Amino acid sequence: DSGVTQTPKHLITATGQRVTLRCSPRSGDLSVYWYQQSLDQGLQFLIQYYNGEERAKGNILERFSAQQFPDLHSELNLSSLELGDSALYFCASSTSGSHSLEQFFGPGTRLTVL
Amino acid sequence: QKEVEQDPGPLSVPEGAIVSLNCTYSNSAFQYFMWYRQYSRKGPELLMYTYSSGNKEDGRFTAQVDKSSKYISLFIRDSQPSDSATYLCAMSADNNDMRFGAGTRLTVKP
Repeated sequence: DSGVTQTPKHLITATGQRVTLRCSPRSGDLSVYWYQQSLDQGLQFLIQYYNGEERAKGNILERFSAQQFPDLHSELNLSSLELGDSALYFCASSTSGSHSLEQFFGPGTRLTVL
Repeated sequence: QKEVEQDPGPLSVPEGAIVSLNCTYSNSAFQYFMWYRQYSRKGPELLMYTYSSGNKEDGRFTAQVDKSSKYISLFIRDSQPSDSATYLCAMSADNNDMRFGAGTRLTVKP
């Protein structure tokens, strides 16, 4: 158990809808990272937050947004969902503000868009 | 061509075998190299990381980096059924924005 929690575990929704994925980092970790894992694209970095501020951006679509709250939990918002957004979404955390090599991953949220 | 290429397998070996997992890459700026292990229905966990070229050993695992060939390897000695998982290589140029391989699915049969 990495200490990173993600909810929900599974999410099934329809095209055009909006969903929110939630992540709680390990105790003491200030950085949260979001990743998307799909069969055809592999694991892709989406975005990083450090202590409430956006720190780095990867291949995140404009339809997606994230934020980190004062208690350090983070939410990833996905809107105008398309079939291709079906994937595993992982959250990871680290102590460092830089894009730490040692990241601890949560169990993921499996999103299915029908 | 993808920045990081990794054969997805699947790879099946008998217990006790030496396993060799590999990735190639095209970006010569990469200097941080990682291997993650991902069990089914779990998030990836960091196994090893190396900086620049060379070898690094940790128990039954050895990571090798050959920057001149843009090629990295992970060797698993005396493989165990508990090593059955997907192994992902990852790389970074400046400690930002890691790029992952597609992952190799390994099965170690008792």
